[in-house]
Amino acid sequence: AQSVTQLDSHVSVSEGTPVLLRCNYSSSYSPSLFWYVQHPNKGLQLLLKYTSAATLVKGINGFEAEFKKSETSFHLTKPSAHMSDAAEYFCVVSRPIKAAGNKLTFGGGTRVLVKP
Amino acid sequence: ETGVTQSPTHLIKTRGQQVTLRCSSQSGHNTVSWYQQALGQGPQFIFQYYREEENGRGNFPPRFSGLQFPNYSSELNVNALELDDSALYLCASSSGQSYNEQFFGPGTRLTVL
Repeated sequence: AQSVTQLDSHVSVSEGTPVLLRCNYSSSYSPSLFWYVQHPNKGLQLLLKYTSAATLVKGINGFEAEFKKSETSFHLTKPSAHMSDAAEYFCVVSRPIKAAGNKLTFGGGTRVLVKP
Repeated sequence: ETGVTQSPTHLIKTRGQQVTLRCSSQSGHNTVSWYQQALGQGPQFIFQYYREEENGRGNFPPRFSGLQFPNYSSELNVNALELDDSALYLCASSSGQSYNEQFFGPGTRLTVL
């Protein structure tokens, strides 16, 4: 079984300050982990992914995440928030399923508000 | 390169009716996954199709069914609609390897009255 817990349902930051979105996962095998972003009325966009290579993963738009196996965490950070970062963020764990392909299990999401 | 497209954008149905949602996968992708996203929640996996065969299913009843065509486009059918089926339905395509990224379409917003 696999599951994801996003520890904050809402995060509010001021423009130019750091952003931290927390994610813990549970998995009975070596997971692949992702962060997706969803802007209003738009589809999900991949920010970054961890697939058992480097534990510090850099993504698009200045985001990065660190895989910590001992803490079963995959927190997302950005040094300086921009107004365009206001969106819903999902932490996702992936499990291989039969034949090729994988099943994504999403966390409940964290809504980010950026104040000017 | 054309991305994942879904139709229709919005749909309103009444309880007990049937609905068909459509998805065109990204060029070169042979795998399509469907997800249901209820308001204020994360998406939940419904099922996946790989080379026209169902390749895994989430915790959804049999009235949720699907199809994948030789061109890898896909349909999601829901029979006997219930009020709780109101949600955003997302389609994602990928190239079939378990570690590969899934590319999402914009979704179909279904409202059941």
